[in-house]
Amino acid sequence: EAQVTQNPRYLITVTGKKLTVTCSQNMNHEYMSWYRQDPGLGLRQIYYSMNVEVTDKGDVPEGYKVSRKEKRNFPLILESPSPNQTSLYFCASSLQVLTGELFFGEGSRLTVL
Amino acid sequence: TQLLEQSPQFLSIQEGENLTVYCNSSSVFSSLQWYRQEPGEGPVLLVTVVTGGEVKKLKRLTFQFGDARKDSSLHITAAQTGDTGLYLCAGWNSGNTPLVFGKGTRLSVIA
Repeated sequence: EAQVTQNPRYLITVTGKKLTVTCSQNMNHEYMSWYRQDPGLGLRQIYYSMNVEVTDKGDVPEGYKVSRKEKRNFPLILESPSPNQTSLYFCASSLQVLTGELFFGEGSRLTVL
Repeated sequence: TQLLEQSPQFLSIQEGENLTVYCNSSSVFSSLQWYRQEPGEGPVLLVTVVTGGEVKKLKRLTFQFGDARKDSSLHITAAQTGDTGLYLCAGWNSGNTPLVFGKGTRLSVIA
């Protein structure tokens, strides 16, 4: 089944404790992206990647890191999480830019205490 | 970052009514997409429009791309409770820029 898989789906952590949210897609998509979704603010892009080893900052990259060493994986790293990073996170991928459908994972709800 | 403004932000209507939601920008987009998101899930693509003036229909949903490719609308005829959700428009500007999302219109259809 074609899908984007995120883990963990739910996480409660404390300020400063490094964490990684994994994202994997099995559709051989070149484009991958991370978003956070907060009430009233919509989907805001954190980082995106047009292809392997190519990553770019989105609108809200501060406090996050990503890597794209393989086409299928695009992990999101929070080196030192803070409470303002409490949010619902979505990973997404697309076969192509300009017209490609963006496939989303099920979301990861992160709470930083 | 190119901005996509969606209106209205919230819409609550009775079942059977018609409605239109809008997605506007000052920038030209190569294509615009509409997604629907239900609680606890990721957004799901409804349609992609690529040609200025293009109209696409998906059952009771009609999507239009503006002639200048700066705006789009979604019209729902005879809304049903199953249409409830968050409707997001998104635009691809060029092959070198990421997909840009609007903040969404949250639709509630009441029986």
